[in-house]
Amino acid sequence: DQQVKQNSPSLSVQEGRISILNCDYTNSMFDYFLWYKKYPAEGPTFLISISSIKDKNEDGRFTVFLNKSAKHLSLHIVPSQPGDSAVYFCAASIGSARQLTFGSGTQLTVLP
Amino acid sequence: KAGVTQTPRYLIKTRGQQVTLSCSPISGHRSVSWYQQTPGQGLQFLFEYFSETQRNKGNFPGRFSGRQFSNSRSEMNVSTLELGDSALYLCASSRTTVLDGYTFGSGTRLTVV
Repeated sequence: DQQVKQNSPSLSVQEGRISILNCDYTNSMFDYFLWYKKYPAEGPTFLISISSIKDKNEDGRFTVFLNKSAKHLSLHIVPSQPGDSAVYFCAASIGSARQLTFGSGTQLTVLP
Repeated sequence: KAGVTQTPRYLIKTRGQQVTLSCSPISGHRSVSWYQQTPGQGLQFLFEYFSETQRNKGNFPGRFSGRQFSNSRSEMNVSTLELGDSALYLCASSRTTVLDGYTFGSGTRLTVV
């Protein structure tokens, strides 16, 4: 039973445009959400997080939106750069438990 | 500052053997977590240690075990290796809250033949 789902395995975007990566979850107990990006042969790199008491968090070019009623979160990257090409994972956790449940990832390709 | 260091980077073992993987967290990070990444199952949580105590454990058989030392370094052990244990094993460390994120190492690629 996949509790965190990333339904788009891949996404291609033109450089300079917005990239929107989506993530759905089923467990209403999740209250912390994180986004990671991963390059081949490297571990995931933390990007941005959000708690369930907020609906938006921004950090530079990255913004995460949380819609609790829809159990949906999204990561917006503006403007997209070729160096952003990587696999993006969303992850969720319950309370302070340091156990992340990951989605299956979305391969983002930013075309020059 | 130094990141999370995992050794070895690559490992080939034979079915039935056991293996020990090592992780050195970022200095000052007391929480260490382990994850398994496979093409079929994605990233799955194995266990988490804090101050030498296992606080959380994922849904893996008892062949998977771990420990943490007083200097926060951690090891995980897999006994009686099976072909399905072939995976990238990732260690992550964190300092304070979940929202600070976790810093992952580059992983150990284990191949069981």
